[in-house]
Amino acid sequence: SAVISQKPSRDICQRGTSLTIQCQVDSQVTMMFWYRQQPGQSLTLIATANQGSEATYESGFVIDKFPISRPNLTFSTLTVSNMSPEDSSIYLCSVENNSEQYFGPGTRLTVT
Amino acid sequence: GQQVMQIPQYQHVQEGEDFTTYCNSSTTLSNIQWYKQRPGGHPVFLIQLVKSGEVKKQKRLTFQFGEAKKNSSLHITATQTTDVGTYFCALGPNAGKSTFGDGTTLTVKP
Repeated sequence: SAVISQKPSRDICQRGTSLTIQCQVDSQVTMMFWYRQQPGQSLTLIATANQGSEATYESGFVIDKFPISRPNLTFSTLTVSNMSPEDSSIYLCSVENNSEQYFGPGTRLTVT
Repeated sequence: GQQVMQIPQYQHVQEGEDFTTYCNSSTTLSNIQWYKQRPGGHPVFLIQLVKSGEVKKQKRLTFQFGEAKKNSSLHITATQTTDVGTYFCALGPNAGKSTFGDGTTLTVKP
């Protein structure tokens, strides 16, 4: 199993600003994943973060909007840049272990 | 890539009634997983099905994988208020990442 923590748990931000979300895992993992879950919707993968290389982004997501850092095997950050109300969502960090996906508690972001 | 359709989107039941959610694909799946997300919580892994026709049980939950490996179902017998939440089927993980269905949100009236 994997225990994942995220900070902050929630935030209310003004449009045009940026927020950096931190994700910490209790064990070393090769890949970390960032998902977005808009209100009442399913989970959509934003990007895969690998240690020592640039993140791989899914279609519809770009590095300028969602820069990701992966400085070591237990930590990653996701920045939501130049926010607009459409970015209001829950952002979840995830890792895969033995074919199971483990999720952090999520960061609930509201952009006003 | 592969996608799955999940139905129904919402289900409201009286406590004690049964509940079923279905996950369908147009292509053959290598496996399927089920997750539960409680209100305000994050998705939690329930089970993975791999074999054609596979049936697995967890207490009141029964999971099935179709013979053609194109559909799956989750059935809850005699629902309880603790069963409320959204149930997702998911494909993968493939290269570590999963593709989630739209989910079925279950509400249980006591």
